[in-house]
Amino acid sequence: EDQVTQSPEALRLQEGESSSLNCSYTVSGLRGLFWYRQDPGKGPEFLFTLYSAGEEKEKERLKATLTKKESFLHITAPKPEDSATYLCAVNSGGYQKVTFGIGTKLQVIP
Amino acid sequence: EPEVTQTPSHQVTQMGQEVILRCVPISNHLYFYWYRQILGQKVEFLVSFYNNEISEKSEIFDDQFSVERPDGSNFTLKIRSTKLEDSAMYFCASKTEETQYFGPGTRLLVL
Repeated sequence: EDQVTQSPEALRLQEGESSSLNCSYTVSGLRGLFWYRQDPGKGPEFLFTLYSAGEEKEKERLKATLTKKESFLHITAPKPEDSATYLCAVNSGGYQKVTFGIGTKLQVIP
Repeated sequence: EPEVTQTPSHQVTQMGQEVILRCVPISNHLYFYWYRQILGQKVEFLVSFYNNEISEKSEIFDDQFSVERPDGSNFTLKIRSTKLEDSAMYFCASKTEETQYFGPGTRLLVL
């Protein structure tokens, strides 16, 4: 069974203070690893899909990287509007379902 | 930019009543999903739907749940006899290639 573990569960940063969120996963045959952003009371908003180890993707202040066992979401010089819960999820084998981690709740303080 | 839409945004019902949650997936997507998220917990997979049939379901998706694509645009989740523990956010998603795009959710409260 696919497993996704995210750390830390919560992170508080000063505006401009860069950091990384971790997602460790266990799957049999990774088809895709996904990062989503979720604001309170809203649906997950797609950020990135990574398919293979060594792959990197960037969008504004966010950069996602992937190894064979984990993924990192790097946040460079965050702003208060980056405050949200960041969800990591995986899809594997011949399955349709996506398995989510519990998320990292990020708070960026002005 | 195309997006998944869901109605209603909030639904309050009495235990034992039937509810139908509605979704309009992104128009050129072929795979459709329902997930739920109990407050403070992980997003959990319920069911996937392709070519007018269920392609995969979780152990949560028991006989009380059903899905339907009644026309070319809508995708529905029916809960026949709601329980208190069905209270959650329900998200619809649709997929292109490997990425699932989620709707804003329906908050279901069972009293």
